[in-house]
Amino acid sequence: GAGVSQTPSNKVTEKGKYVELRCDPISGHTALYWYRQSLGQGPEFLIYFQGTGAADDSGLPNDRFFAVRPEGSVSTLKIQRTERGDSAVYLCASSPTGTANEKLFFGSGTQLSVL
Amino acid sequence: AQSVTQLGSHVSVSEGALVLLRCNYSSSVPPYLFWYVQYPNQGLQLLLKYTTGATLVKGINGFEAEFKKSETSFHLTKPSAHMSDAAEYFCAVSEGSNFGNEKLTFGTGTRLTIIP
Repeated sequence: GAGVSQTPSNKVTEKGKYVELRCDPISGHTALYWYRQSLGQGPEFLIYFQGTGAADDSGLPNDRFFAVRPEGSVSTLKIQRTERGDSAVYLCASSPTGTANEKLFFGSGTQLSVL
Repeated sequence: AQSVTQLGSHVSVSEGALVLLRCNYSSSVPPYLFWYVQYPNQGLQLLLKYTTGATLVKGINGFEAEFKKSETSFHLTKPSAHMSDAAEYFCAVSEGSNFGNEKLTFGTGTRLTIIP
């Protein structure tokens, strides 16, 4: 596609429910990142994929959060037993190779609201 | 560990005036430094970056930033503000795969308002 696509753009759920957020990176990009942006804050790193594998998952806040990228392209961020504190914009980004000096291409994000 | 501090969560300047957005970083190794911009209802876009070489880097839309190692700063400037510059600006740092840390660490952002 032309850019990084995230679906849905908005997700409203109830406390305790399970949600999945999807990211379609730019075709051919091997690196994929998930960030979380709370109101008034900068993006906070969650996890980084190089191909199919999670190269760095140090930002996942707890074991309710999990992400996969089974074929090295589309990624899904999964949140179990959602809590109100999980409400935020979840951003996905991709880059061609994942080197640290490389530009990241961001999607428009998924606004998650946990009621 | 790497970190970024952006001084001033809100900055207002008059159209045509100088824009100065401040960023200080902390890194245990030579950093890579970035400025990203977020327009309303759009994804983050790269404005400019410093990796190695020339310490004054130029980006899109007339913005530039200077890496000053002695001051651990990477301030963003534009000589003459335009109404279209109104957005949120984020400074970010990474340390590189040689140090096992490719991820970007962002500051809390500065919202720039342009006064007509």
